[in-house]
Amino acid sequence: DGGITQSPKYLFRKEGQNVTLSCEQNLNHDAMYWYRQDPGQGLRLIYYSQIVNDFQKGDIAEGYSVSREKKESFPLTVTSAQKNPTAFYLCASSTPLGEAQHEQYFGPGTRLTVT
Amino acid sequence: DAKTTQPPSMDCAEGRAANLPCNHSTISGNEYVYWYRQIHSQGPQYIIHGLKNNETNEMASLIITEDRKSSTLILPHATLRDTAVYYCIVRVAMGNRDDKIIFGKGTRLHILP
Repeated sequence: DGGITQSPKYLFRKEGQNVTLSCEQNLNHDAMYWYRQDPGQGLRLIYYSQIVNDFQKGDIAEGYSVSREKKESFPLTVTSAQKNPTAFYLCASSTPLGEAQHEQYFGPGTRLTVT
Repeated sequence: DAKTTQPPSMDCAEGRAANLPCNHSTISGNEYVYWYRQIHSQGPQYIIHGLKNNETNEMASLIITEDRKSSTLILPHATLRDTAVYYCIVRVAMGNRDDKIIFGKGTRLHILP
């Protein structure tokens, strides 16, 4: 089945540790996105990438880093510089707007808790 | 910042049509209107999108005003499973390097039995 996978579903870390969240898609989508969601809030864009080896900062990129070495993968690293890392992290992918099917597909999310 | 404005919450009786409004008064001519919904603790799910014309699919209908400054998502016969947060967004670019998709806070729809 085609789709987006995020792992793990729940992740616990100690403060001061870097942690990498996985996002893989087999939809052959060029674009991939990372969002953060806090309780009762909407989604805020962290980073996005339209093509392999290229990515852009979103609205809240500070304390995060990404890589896009393969089309299928867009891992997000939450660094120790991120002041409030505890949140629900969502990965999404889409085709470019000019193509027929250009809605975003979302993964199931990773809930990160840092103590 | 999100380019859309939605009411924070709405109620609808089960079996009735749920009409969710969205204002996007600064929308550009090449921007699409998209609707997604998010059930608690899951990833958002695509519902429908449109540019100028009204659209309908198996999930919902999308009515876009002639001036494109607002739209309404219609769930024709709401069920309890439609309880979710509904996001209206506009897509800001035509698939170039700066293409990004911004979500606002959405509308929390409660379907009442």
